[in-house]
Amino acid sequence: KQEVTQIPAALSVPEGENLVLNCSFTDSAIYNLQWFRQDPGKGLTSLLLIQSSQREQTSGRLNASLDKSSGRSTLYIAASQPGDSATYLCAVIGGGTSYGKLTFGQGTILTVHP
Amino acid sequence: NAGVMQNPRHLVRRRGQEARLRCSPMKGHSHVYWYRQLPEEGLKFMVYLQKENIIDESGMPKERFSAEFPKEGPSILRIQQVVRGDSAAYFCASSPRGQGVEKLFFGSGTQLSVL
Repeated sequence: KQEVTQIPAALSVPEGENLVLNCSFTDSAIYNLQWFRQDPGKGLTSLLLIQSSQREQTSGRLNASLDKSSGRSTLYIAASQPGDSATYLCAVIGGGTSYGKLTFGQGTILTVHP
Repeated sequence: NAGVMQNPRHLVRRRGQEARLRCSPMKGHSHVYWYRQLPEEGLKFMVYLQKENIIDESGMPKERFSAEFPKEGPSILRIQQVVRGDSAAYFCASSPRGQGVEKLFFGSGTQLSVL
């Protein structure tokens, strides 16, 4: 059974810092890995998607890497801003399926203070 | 192009009542997924549906819960005889295809509170 773990559970940083969020998964046979952002009372917004054959993806100040063999992914946020404050979720599709049956981590609650 | 629409946003029910949650996928999407987020827990997959078919319901509780996605109209998640433990945020997501799916598009969720 796939399990996804995110570390740290919560992170508070001053504006402008670069930061790294970690995600690990127990079964390396994944189809893809996605990073989402969840704002309070709102749905999930997909940030980055990494296919199992890829090593990293970048979008603006965000960079996500994937090491499938070790079961790890990191989300790097450069020059953090107060607007980045949210819960960040890592999720994988695997277990022999390639449809949208995601296994989520518990999330990292990020607070960026001015 | 409107996103995934869920209603109601908030639903309050008393124990023993029925809850019906609705989800309209994005235009052109025929694959719908329901997820549940219990307090202090992560999001958990419940069910995957295509039009008129349940493809994977491995995450659905065996009793009281059912889901449908009719040929016409929204997908419905139905919870009969609700209990306090059903209180959670229920999210719907959609995609344009099944196998080989990439991004899922999520709705804003329905917050169910059982009194």
